[in-house]
Amino acid sequence: DAGITQSPRHKVTETGTPVTLRCHQTENHRYMYWYRQDPGHGLRLIHYSYGVKDTDKGEVSDGYSVSRSKTEDFLLTLESATSSQTSVYFCAISEGAVNEKLFFGSGTQLSVL
Amino acid sequence: KQEVTQIPAALSVPEGENLVLNCSFTDSAIYNLQWFRQDPGKGLTSLLLIQSSQREQTSGRLNASLDKSSGRSTLYIAASQPGDSATYLCAVDQTGANNLFFGTGTRLTVIP
Repeated sequence: DAGITQSPRHKVTETGTPVTLRCHQTENHRYMYWYRQDPGHGLRLIHYSYGVKDTDKGEVSDGYSVSRSKTEDFLLTLESATSSQTSVYFCAISEGAVNEKLFFGSGTQLSVL
Repeated sequence: KQEVTQIPAALSVPEGENLVLNCSFTDSAIYNLQWFRQDPGKGLTSLLLIQSSQREQTSGRLNASLDKSSGRSTLYIAASQPGDSATYLCAVDQTGANNLFFGTGTRLTVIP
């Protein structure tokens, strides 16, 4: 398996609180992505990064921010969590062209009550 | 906006059977189409990637085809095994878009 670690694996939080999810890679890959997976919607891109301090929005970026201060770490922050952000969050990485040969982490199950 | 559809949502087959999973997409302006496998509680594993200029790709017992003009791809699994049980997702990398567009997957169960 590619060296991708997501933390935490599970989190329960309350509406209105900030939440940060972490993705750590040991592969030194250039591209990193945050997706969410919801029943009936498939995976949808939240944000992605193409290098340190270089990020761009995805399809469902509202309510989320990201930071990448080091090659190996990509943080996803929910600024004020809402129940609609209850989901499974996946981090992915790729080395070559963007969106090719993605390796995924095991996911974070987030519940916002 | 690109729409990716996978039908059926679930499929059960006896071990040893050959099977085909289907994926359709609405916009043919794509860079590539990818097939992934997802086991319960796990992330996705990349299986095959077909560039827009290609017609098919093979890896072991898996063969994926692409007909861009009709907006269709199939994943053929030969001699299915219980270990093939998983959800299979297709995803399209669309020209001019930042993200992959994923289908909702077909959940495959191979019965021993």
